[in-house]
Amino acid sequence: GAGVSQSPRYKVAKRGQDVALRCDPISGHVSLFWYQQALGQGPEFLTYFQNEAQLDKSGLPSDRFFAERPEGSVSTLKIQRTQQEDSAVYLCASSPPTKDEQYFGPGTRLTVT
Amino acid sequence: QKEVEQDPGPLSVPEGAIVSLNCTYSNSAFQYFMWYRQYSRKGPELLMYTYSSGNKEDGRFTAQVDKSSKYISLFIRDSQPSDSATYLCAMTRTGGFKTIFGAGTRLFVKA
Repeated sequence: GAGVSQSPRYKVAKRGQDVALRCDPISGHVSLFWYQQALGQGPEFLTYFQNEAQLDKSGLPSDRFFAERPEGSVSTLKIQRTQQEDSAVYLCASSPPTKDEQYFGPGTRLTVT
Repeated sequence: QKEVEQDPGPLSVPEGAIVSLNCTYSNSAFQYFMWYRQYSRKGPELLMYTYSSGNKEDGRFTAQVDKSSKYISLFIRDSQPSDSATYLCAMTRTGGFKTIFGAGTRLFVKA
């Protein structure tokens, strides 16, 4: 079946603009994760959803970052008033029920100029 | 000090060599240990998933976990040029949502 998809794949934003990044998880996957991956680093946890409930948002770096999953499937990560330090790849992953393995999407590469 | 330490490499080996990749960690609460492979401009792909201490083998890949030393390893036998990628270790606590990744080791396998 189809894997995790993310859109857009690439996004260039001017400093101060708002951006919205979309994640379509694998059908039937209850858990959804967002990560930020800086160049040359491993992914860093941002937030976690179980269905529509956001159970952990401790990794969101500031109140400019907001994530939602209103119907328990598609999720959107929104970054307001983007800054240069927000430039990174944003990865989405999903997990099936009762399993911990995460399946990653290809990521959205955000460049803030 | 980071919770998970991983040598970023790069590690360059000839085709057919045995590759050893390692991570150390500081939090004894970690119980689930994973290895991911990430090709350039792609998302990480799960290779191995182990619970607690011990060994797990899957084809050319063997994962080892030594909880007493807080040390995990991934061995790749008969390495191929297609194994050239970044290898990320990752771990979580029981009942935890947050997965902690190492920085990744870049591996180059030369034909």
